[in-house]
Amino acid sequence: KAGVTQTPRYLIKTRGQQVTLSCSPISGHRSVSWYQQTPGQGLQFLFEYFSETQRNKGNFPGRFSGRQFSNSRSEMNVSTLELGDSALYLCASSGGTLHGGYTFGSGTRLTVV
Amino acid sequence: KQEVTQIPAALSVPEGENLVLNCSFTDSAIYNLQWFRQDPGKGLTSLLLIQSSQREQTSGRLNASLDKSSGRSTLYIAASQPGDSATYLCAAHPETSRTSGSRLTFGEGTQLTVNP
Repeated sequence: KAGVTQTPRYLIKTRGQQVTLSCSPISGHRSVSWYQQTPGQGLQFLFEYFSETQRNKGNFPGRFSGRQFSNSRSEMNVSTLELGDSALYLCASSGGTLHGGYTFGSGTRLTVV
Repeated sequence: KQEVTQIPAALSVPEGENLVLNCSFTDSAIYNLQWFRQDPGKGLTSLLLIQSSQREQTSGRLNASLDKSSGRSTLYIAASQPGDSATYLCAAHPETSRTSGSRLTFGEGTQLTVNP
């Protein structure tokens, strides 16, 4: 079966702009989580969506937001980009019960200049 | 607040050597623990998932163990190969995952280099 698909793979944006990243989970998975990975902070949890509802949220400013659609696809949005938002953004999906753990996508590399 | 630590941060070994990567966590109330591999600039590949009721899982040359009471997990790699070179991350799923979703807490990773 197809894995977790993240688009685009690479993005270059200018400070102050906004960006939208997309994640399509494994078919049948209803939980989608987002993580930010930077060299200094490692992997940090952004938020989790389950059946179109945000179920958990990490400690990120309100500039970071997300949503999930009825087909379980998820988007995250970052507004008013800052240089520090440059990172690899990873999406993970699970079946909701976590018996199968999480499956991650290949990530979107965002560079803010 | 859960904290996950991985030791060592980096490891360089000759091909063929058996090795152990360590992961410790501060809160033993975990639902399960998952080991991942990450190649440079890529996403995470799941290697092994250990449920809290289990003590170990095996896949090929990999064996992961879990001791909840001591807050430790180890990943054993047998007969290492250059293709095993990558960063290995462990992640703890909180006990609350059963009913209210989850946020993984990751360690900083162990960067493994296997030299031919």
